[in-house]
Amino acid sequence: EPEVTQTPSHQVTQMGQEVILRCVPISNHLYFYWYRQILGQKVEFLVSFYNNEISEKSEIFDDQFSVERPDGSNFTLKIRSTKLEDSAMYFCASSEGQGGGYTFGSGTRLTVV
Amino acid sequence: QKEVEQDPGPLSVPEGAIVSLNCTYSNSAFQYFMWYRQYSRKGPELLMYTYSSGNKEDGRFTAQVDKSSKYISLFIRDSQPSDSATYLCAMSPVYGQNFVFGPGTRLSVLP
Repeated sequence: EPEVTQTPSHQVTQMGQEVILRCVPISNHLYFYWYRQILGQKVEFLVSFYNNEISEKSEIFDDQFSVERPDGSNFTLKIRSTKLEDSAMYFCASSEGQGGGYTFGSGTRLTVV
Repeated sequence: QKEVEQDPGPLSVPEGAIVSLNCTYSNSAFQYFMWYRQYSRKGPELLMYTYSSGNKEDGRFTAQVDKSSKYISLFIRDSQPSDSATYLCAMSPVYGQNFVFGPGTRLSVLP
């Protein structure tokens, strides 16, 4: 079964450093998303991406965050200057279009120290 | 009132039981609904996707949407210990944008 692949599975970074989280969505999917989940809390929306542009973003997705689809397969989330409160599981998801659910990856656990 | 609410559980049932998991919501514009299963420290796994009101069945899982009551349910028949996980509902007014997640219900199916 097709799956969304995320790398790395776990990243530890120092506060203030930049991190890039990588995702390979399912190949025929057109919509891409990033969500995060702080330990013990609910899954929160960050951003959605369609047709090579951001279609919606949440209040969490401030100027420190950016997304890119640099080629036909990868979808990245960059955090420019990490803060302690950015520590969370970050999930990438993709969907085919209307009539299909979102498929999530296994996540990247980001720990900011 | 929170936008999407779920009974946090934990809900414990014996193997083979029928499980009913529920979400209520406040935004009447929601029309796309999804149910996910999440094992500890793993990504959400899509179980069911439905649009607007009605029922949808897939194997042991049945999803129901009652938009008039702003209430959705997931039924699991013949529950198995492997169904022990947190179940998340998610919903959105517009496809392709923010799906709002509930806080999840922890389910334990006891052998």
